[in-house]
Amino acid sequence: AQRVTQPEKLLSVFKGAPVELKCNYSYSGSPELFWYVQYSRQRLQLLLRHISRESIKGFTADLNKGETSFHLKKPFAQEEDSAMYYCALVGNAGNMLTFGGGTRLMVKP
Amino acid sequence: KAGVTQTPRYLIKTRGQQVTLSCSPISGHRSVSWYQQTPGQGLQFLFEYFSETQRNKGNFPGRFSGRQFSNSRSEMNVSTLELGDSALYLCASSFGEGTEAFFGQGTRLTVV
Repeated sequence: AQRVTQPEKLLSVFKGAPVELKCNYSYSGSPELFWYVQYSRQRLQLLLRHISRESIKGFTADLNKGETSFHLKKPFAQEEDSAMYYCALVGNAGNMLTFGGGTRLMVKP
Repeated sequence: KAGVTQTPRYLIKTRGQQVTLSCSPISGHRSVSWYQQTPGQGLQFLFEYFSETQRNKGNFPGRFSGRQFSNSRSEMNVSTLELGDSALYLCASSFGEGTEAFFGQGTRLTVV
């Protein structure tokens, strides 16, 4: 069975502070890991995926297979980063996304 | 190009009724997945269709069903509605396996 865990439901930081949103997964094979973001009144959208190794909007995430983690990081949070963040994985069959419970990030001025 | 379109955006139904939700994927995308989003359970996978065939199915009762047409448009049906079916239903389309999923705005279903 595949499972994604995001231990923090809410993360509140001040503008300019570093941010780390935690994500742990369990999957017996080699999954594809993603971070999706949902800004207020907008649809769920892809932020980044581990295979592309890109930095999007200053966010990065490194897949740690030993710790089965895919934490999302940003060195300096901005107010516009306030949103709901979901970690998700796709296994070997199709496009079935298994989502974590989500973390609401609030960046205070 | 146009994004994923879901209709209707809002629905109010009575317990025991059935409902059909529609999803038009991005042109060229053959994979369509459905998810249920609730405050308590979060985002849960319902099913995925690829080229008119159900490829994956989540852990939902048989009252939840779906289909995909030759133009990749998809519908999901919920029969004998229960209060607990009240949720935001999201559709996502993808070009290939393990590729980015593009989500629609969702259909908010309220069962009274």
